[in-house]
Amino acid sequence: DTGVSQNPRHKITKRGQNVTFRCDPISEHNRLYWYRQTLGQGPEFLTYFQNEAQLEKSRLLSDRFSAERPKGSFSTLEIQRTEQGDSAMYLCASSLVPGKNIQYFGAGTRLSVL
Amino acid sequence: AQKVTQAQTEISVVEKEDVTLDCVYETRDTTYYLFWYKQPPSGELVFLIRRNSFDEQNEISGRYSWNFQKSTSSFNFTITASQVVDSAVYFCALSESNDMRFGAGTRLTVKP
Repeated sequence: DTGVSQNPRHKITKRGQNVTFRCDPISEHNRLYWYRQTLGQGPEFLTYFQNEAQLEKSRLLSDRFSAERPKGSFSTLEIQRTEQGDSAMYLCASSLVPGKNIQYFGAGTRLSVL
Repeated sequence: AQKVTQAQTEISVVEKEDVTLDCVYETRDTTYYLFWYKQPPSGELVFLIRRNSFDEQNEISGRYSWNFQKSTSSFNFTITASQVVDSAVYFCALSESNDMRFGAGTRLTVKP
């Protein structure tokens, strides 16, 4: 059983550029979550999908952020016109509902905006 | 509003010492779930335990134990006979619905 996979692991970009991250959840999991984690803080919820439907978005998710899960499997998180404040670790998690709904996390994508 | 407080920012112990990581939460819901995750230097959050609000039984798993007390809104985590491999950041988290609210984490360093 493979875990949650995130690519790339690291991304360095210049301010103003667009970036896209990918998350492959555990294969039988129907829920997929995105979190952001800055240095010295716990992860902060951004959004989640159940199958292909995006059911909840945090106020943290500005208009420059968009997430998709077109076929209910992998998901992408795109940040347009990146800003230095977007520098963070972006974590993906997946879970299975109904059930215990335990979220299993990937290793994250570390974004550095120069 | 839900909130999780981990007052201990950093803890340093010597191997084989016992250590307790504190977690205090706030919620208005009667149904909620509490979690502990471990984040080693590699960065991946590792699930340790999930506890629902109706189950106040303490739990032990090997060297790990958890003390859930609704009266004080606390869900503390104890590592017995700590080992160097326990060095990591530990997060407590609260879920009322579909998202999770994490505390700021406690960095545990276990020295040989």
